[in-house]
Amino acid sequence: EVQVLESGGGLVQPGGSLRLSCAASGFTFYSYAMTWVRQAPGKGLEWVSVISGSGAGTFYADSVKGRFTISRDNSKNTLYLQMNSLRAEDTAVYYCAKNAVFGVLITYFDYWGQGALVTVSS
Amino acid sequence: EIVLTQSPGTLSLSPGERATLSCRASQSVSRSYLAWYQQKPGEAPRLLIYGASSRATGIPDRFSGSGSETDFTLTINRLEPEDFAVYYCQQYGGSPTFGGGTKVEIK
Repeated sequence: EVQVLESGGGLVQPGGSLRLSCAASGFTFYSYAMTWVRQAPGKGLEWVSVISGSGAGTFYADSVKGRFTISRDNSKNTLYLQMNSLRAEDTAVYYCAKNAVFGVLITYFDYWGQGALVTVSS
Repeated sequence: EIVLTQSPGTLSLSPGERATLSCRASQSVSRSYLAWYQQKPGEAPRLLIYGASSRATGIPDRFSGSGSETDFTLTINRLEPEDFAVYYCQQYGGSPTFGGGTKVEIK
């Protein structure tokens, strides 16, 4: 059974940093790109970043480029999102999602975690 | 960036009725790379449709998707109580974007 489970959310002050983790199981982790999607309270979904299966390819939304870094450790089946210079508008539930198509960087998502809440506030 | 506009914002229907949800793209979505998701309060999104019209594994056949280029539709036949939720479209023909969502509520 495929499972993805986020951790690391919490309250952080503006300008601060936080790292999210996503533990995956039930599939060949290194074969699939992985994506972060966020959802501000009461709002819709926003694509944040994607990383290739090998970790060599990454892309970011303009809203987080230069502040967030996506990475993965295939030996631990874990995805990460390092978030720096956080702003109030980064407050959201952050979802880890598995790309549905083998080896494809930009695609739809077939499994999602339950989400990790990040609150940026003083 | 491809902007997706979903309409209506809210759809008030009764169980057993048909729901028709629209997703319009600001430019043509290549190869009909469009997906639909269902989200219930406090839950993660759930994949329903990909490739504009292919149902994901385990999705009941009352859910169907259609459309191409800039106009896409999600149809839910004979609404069940568990279908009342928010629905999002997503395009993956370019940098991924989501629509703003349509809430299907009980009338």
